[in-house]
Amino acid sequence: KNQVEQSPQSLIILEGKNCTLQCNYTVSPFSNLRWYKQDTGRGPVSLTIMTFSENTKSNGRYTATLDADTKQSSLHITASQLSDSASYICVVSGPGTASKLTFGTGTRLQVTL
Amino acid sequence: ETGVTQTPRHLVMGMTNKKSLKCEQHLGHNAMYWYKQSAKKPLELMFVYNFKEQTENNSVPSRFSPECPNSSHLFLHLHTLQPEDSALYLCASSQDGGRGEKLFFGSGTQLSVL
Repeated sequence: KNQVEQSPQSLIILEGKNCTLQCNYTVSPFSNLRWYKQDTGRGPVSLTIMTFSENTKSNGRYTATLDADTKQSSLHITASQLSDSASYICVVSGPGTASKLTFGTGTRLQVTL
Repeated sequence: ETGVTQTPRHLVMGMTNKKSLKCEQHLGHNAMYWYKQSAKKPLELMFVYNFKEQTENNSVPSRFSPECPNSSHLFLHLHTLQPEDSALYLCASSQDGGRGEKLFFGSGTQLSVL
């Protein structure tokens, strides 16, 4: 069964600190992996997409990594800001249509003063 | 804004009520989706429409009835719901439902069934 597991479930960090969120998946075959950010009361918004051949991709202070051999991805947030407080969802796509996505349960990040 | 608008944002209904959720996308996309998001659970795909045709029904109970009159509008008609149907209902769209496409989500309707 295709699964996506994220850790930690929740995380509290001080503003300005860095953090790393983890995503392990068992989806096979693999097409791509996306990280979404979901603010409270809003829908998820795509941050990055990574395909099989990509190891690292950055979007501002967000850097995603992918190890397709171990089926692991991470999302690193640098110099966190209060606006980074949100849920971060890892989504893995297998072959086929966009409906064939496996979602993680997300990591709830809270950035405090 | 993501270009996907959902109304209402919040809805409280009794188990005998009938209500509808509305979604509109202004992105020129051809695929639209309904997802259910419950606390501490992954998003659950409910329905997929591609070029107005329903291409997927993920074993959703018949008390949820989707309607897609055109590629820009999607409705979810609700009737005789159960308390366990309380959740955030998200609408999404993508270019044409292709592999691994980016989904654009609306802000969702927070539904409470009493």
